[in-house]
Amino acid sequence: QVLLVESGGGLVKPGGSLRLSCAASGFSFSDFYMGWVRQAPGKGLEWVSYIGASDYTFYYADSVKGRFTISRDNAKNSLYLQMSNLRAEDTAMYYCAEYGYNYAFDIWGQGTMVTVSS
Amino acid sequence: QSALTQPASVSGSPGQSITISCSGTSSDVGGYNYVSWYQQHPGKAPKLLISDVSHRPSGISDRFSGSKSGNTASLTISGLQAEDEADYYCSSPTSRSTLVFGGGTKVTVV
Repeated sequence: QVLLVESGGGLVKPGGSLRLSCAASGFSFSDFYMGWVRQAPGKGLEWVSYIGASDYTFYYADSVKGRFTISRDNAKNSLYLQMSNLRAEDTAMYYCAEYGYNYAFDIWGQGTMVTVSS
Repeated sequence: QSALTQPASVSGSPGQSITISCSGTSSDVGGYNYVSWYQQHPGKAPKLLISDVSHRPSGISDRFSGSKSGNTASLTISGLQAEDEADYYCSSPTSRSTLVFGGGTKVTVV
């Protein structure tokens, strides 16, 4: 069974940091690009970042560039998102997803909520 | 990168067909045949409905179909059913190697 499980969300103060994790199972994780998509409460989907299969390719949305870092550990079948200098507008549900070669997010996790508030 | 433009809401009666548009530019929708569509029910993760403009992944009903003309892509839902009531989002890669989503469309079955 293909599964993505996010963790690491929570309440953090503005300016703080948080590291999200995504554990993958049921597919050959190391063969696929992976990404993060977020959704603020009551709002639409926003692409955050994606990373290549071998960790040498990564891109970020302008809204998080310089503050967020995506990484992966293929030996642990895990994807990460290190978030720093967090702002209130980063408050959202963060979804981990497999990013196919056709630029589609084929498989999604259930999401982990990040709340940035003092 | 501005979000792709979708109508905020579309409604239809059971059995009818509806179409959701997704407008972009030549730097995204118009420049690539990789428009995707996602369905999201309240409190749930999004689900891929259509990739590569018109390809349905395994298990997706053939009531969902996609197309593209110029800088605008479309998702058509035929034989509308109560379970189709959800939010729908389009996405496209961009010339900057990023990805952009549409603002989302709420489909109501009246």
